[in-house]
Amino acid sequence: DAKTTQPNSMESNEEEPVHLPCNHSTISGTDYIHWYRQLPSQGPEYVIHGLTSNVNNRMASLAIAEDRKSSTLILHRATLRDAAVYYCILSLSNDYKLSFGAGTTVTVRA
Amino acid sequence: NAGVTQTPKFQVLKTGQSMTLQCAQDMNHEYMSWYRQDPGMGLRLIHYSVGAGITDQGEVPNGYNVSRSTTEDFPLRLLSAAPSQTSVYFCASSYSPGGAGETQYFGPGTRLLVL
Repeated sequence: DAKTTQPNSMESNEEEPVHLPCNHSTISGTDYIHWYRQLPSQGPEYVIHGLTSNVNNRMASLAIAEDRKSSTLILHRATLRDAAVYYCILSLSNDYKLSFGAGTTVTVRA
Repeated sequence: NAGVTQTPKFQVLKTGQSMTLQCAQDMNHEYMSWYRQDPGMGLRLIHYSVGAGITDQGEVPNGYNVSRSTTEDFPLRLLSAAPSQTSVYFCASSYSPGGAGETQYFGPGTRLLVL
């Protein structure tokens, strides 16, 4: 299975951007890159996903490297509500199951 | 839409007892799954279903049973609870089992403590 590597933790100040890196050097050509986040005491929630091109939605942006071996989730203006564990997950082209790693714990300072 | 709902929110069991964790979704999703999350760790897949009458094992299926008689419901049964099953259990669903771009929707979780 293709794996992802994320930093254990990151800190940010409120209203500043947050860039969360994810390495996935063994990604295959048809694997999607998903990001989910989990706020304290809640279930995971979808943030964004992409295949090859950069993606934007109301929550975040996803920048995918040209060789697709890495990606970055960008929170444009962090708020205290963005403090969560962020998971970078590869959704395998022939398998709909999500494989969660340990994720990156994001702390936002007021 | 209520989305994905789970009951109970919290449960305490004694070793050897059995119970059923309930999961329901009102989005007409074909795919449903159960995960467990141990403290400080990511989620691990227990069982999943690609439609009514079809279930399969995930990464950590031992000690758990599932069935899928309707599209809406996907209960998880603990046959004989053990302290190692103390965890938070999440149910998830998505529109279809196929397609790597599908978004999964998670329930709020059931916190289980086995003494």
